[in-house]
Amino acid sequence: SAVISQKPSRDICQRGTSLTIQCQVDSQVTMMFWYRQQPGQSLTLIATANQGSEATYESGFVIDKFPISRPNLTFSTLTVSNMSPEDSSIYLCSARDLGELFFGEGSRLTVL
Amino acid sequence: GESVGLHLPTLSVQEGDNSIINCAYSNSASDYFIWYKQESGKGPQFIIDIRSNMDKRQGQRVTVLLNKTVKHLSLQIAATQPGDSAVYFCAETYSGAGSYQLTFGKGTKLSVIP
Repeated sequence: SAVISQKPSRDICQRGTSLTIQCQVDSQVTMMFWYRQQPGQSLTLIATANQGSEATYESGFVIDKFPISRPNLTFSTLTVSNMSPEDSSIYLCSARDLGELFFGEGSRLTVL
Repeated sequence: GESVGLHLPTLSVQEGDNSIINCAYSNSASDYFIWYKQESGKGPQFIIDIRSNMDKRQGQRVTVLLNKTVKHLSLQIAATQPGDSAVYFCAETYSGAGSYQLTFGKGTKLSVIP
């Protein structure tokens, strides 16, 4: 099974700033995704990170707010731009490997 | 849009008893279902999955049942242990789309009483 590492694991950010979360998979995977999990809530898909092309965003999420990169088959980044307290969430990276979808431990962001 | 939901938000069971966590889904096109376990401060962990051509699948101490007629999914945990305490999510997708984008249910918090 794939092992997914995320950095940072948690951070406290000031309103108006941006933060980039890194996701590293220990093997090449076909698909990578970014999810958001607001406090006490379920997971919501933000976007599919496409290798070598622009990410595919779900309804309610836009590239200007959540720019995503995926330069290769093992790495992706998600930036949360111009943060507000409403962006306080856990952001989870996931990857599909041999049919199963694995998740990282998440990056818990608190925006003051 | 169509969504996946759960019947019970919280469940408390005595250690050693069996647990049953339920989930309803509304997208009749969904053909692949997964149960995840999320412990506090961690990411979701795959437990078991089932495809729509099956109605039952068993793992180690866990069984997933799928009733396509009423669009219902359940997770049964045998001999529940304190380590089973977590939030459990069902998720569904239509594998024919090729994207494996999952729609998650709201989650059920399982508390095991020692």
